[in-house]
Amino acid sequence: QVQLVESGGGVVQPGRSLRLSCAASGFAFSSYAVHWVRQAPGKGLEWVTVISYDGTKKDYADSVKGRFTISRDNSKNTLYLQMNSLRTEDTAIYYCAREAVGGYDALPYKWFDPWGQGTLVTVSS
Amino acid sequence: DIQMTQSPSSLSASVGDRVTITCRASQSISSYLNWYQQKPGKAPKLLIYATSSLQSGVPSRFSGSGSGTDFTLTISSLQREDFATYYCQQSYSTPYTFGQGTKLEIK
Repeated sequence: QVQLVESGGGVVQPGRSLRLSCAASGFAFSSYAVHWVRQAPGKGLEWVTVISYDGTKKDYADSVKGRFTISRDNSKNTLYLQMNSLRTEDTAIYYCAREAVGGYDALPYKWFDPWGQGTLVTVSS
Repeated sequence: DIQMTQSPSSLSASVGDRVTITCRASQSISSYLNWYQQKPGKAPKLLIYATSSLQSGVPSRFSGSGSGTDFTLTISSLQREDFATYYCQQSYSTPYTFGQGTKLEIK
């Protein structure tokens, strides 16, 4: 079945780095854009970043721009999130999510499905 | 950035009730609006995309409507498994912002 599985979370000190992975299976990974979304403990969802199906286009939330880098390896069906200069406010569960596209108005309709189970990143001294 | 505001933030209801959750965008997003359901300790699950299209496998008691800046998610007859937190999300432009969530609790 279509599945995304995140890994790489853990406890890290402020200012340090961490790399998350998201392994995809059950679908043609190289045909889909993929996103990272995070959720701080007890809080709502925050969109973080997206990468196009071929890795040529990337976009970031202002809160992570210049510190986080999204990438993918389509030969390994894997998405990555390199997180540098981590801050306490980056503490969250990080989810990867596949972007589905359908229909058209002025722009294509997009939605996130499925999501991975998430991996917890804790930034603390 | 487009701000998404949901109301109410929390809601108590009983099994069998009809429930409506509202989502308002800070600017027009046409019909680029999705709804997700999240249960404690679980990842969000897609319910409705493009304002009113029901995701495969989602019960027909869920429906969505709206356009422009004002949108609603309606559950026609609450079931026990519907008690969860619901989020709207705009997909008009990045950053693809979410509403703050509506926690639906059992009365």
